[in-house]
Amino acid sequence: GNSVTQMEGPVTLSEEAFLTINCTYTATGYPSLFWYVQYPGEGLQLLLKATKADDKGSNKGFEATYRKETTSFHLEKGSVQVSDSAVYFCARKGSSNTGKLIFGQGTTLQVKP
Amino acid sequence: DTAVSQTPKYLVTQMGNDKSIKCEQNLGHDTMYWYKQDSKKFLKIMFSYNNKELIINETVPNRFSPKSPDKAHLNLHINSLELGDSAVYFCASSQSSGRDEQFFGPGTRLTVL
Repeated sequence: GNSVTQMEGPVTLSEEAFLTINCTYTATGYPSLFWYVQYPGEGLQLLLKATKADDKGSNKGFEATYRKETTSFHLEKGSVQVSDSAVYFCARKGSSNTGKLIFGQGTTLQVKP
Repeated sequence: DTAVSQTPKYLVTQMGNDKSIKCEQNLGHDTMYWYKQDSKKFLKIMFSYNNKELIINETVPNRFSPKSPDKAHLNLHINSLELGDSAVYFCASSQSSGRDEQFFGPGTRLTVL
């Protein structure tokens, strides 16, 4: 089916550690891909996106590359901060042009000082 | 200058009651959405309206009825509340149904006792 799968959390890192959160998707064609972040007690915010294969989205030190060969969109950051502690959602656009987003299950990141 | 706002932020009610959640966006967007986030943080779309017209209606019990009086508002009415309706409900909007970025509200935490 059409879905998004993220690595299980929680992920616990020390400050300045390297972060990878894996995300793979299944879809017909090449949908736009997204990473959203949800800070405690808040709604989701778009972190970055990529709209076609080989595109790299980046924002606030986070990066993700749209890899059609492996149907992946892994999120990376070279040096995490305590303020990055949040839940991260990978998502892809639905196949119809309704704006529907299909989310992964979310990965909780906790960064310790 | 809140972009997407929801009221109330918290809602605690008894089983069998009827309740409404309101959403407003001041971004001038044409498309609005309701998502449900369960206790495991999994997010799933429920409804979407484009210019007051329903364009997404996922498999949601018909106890849930969205209403869009104008394109800046999308309310969610829930009849005969059940324990399983307990969740966080997020409203979101996007410029149009074909545009990628969705802006989310802060969420309404519904607890059914």
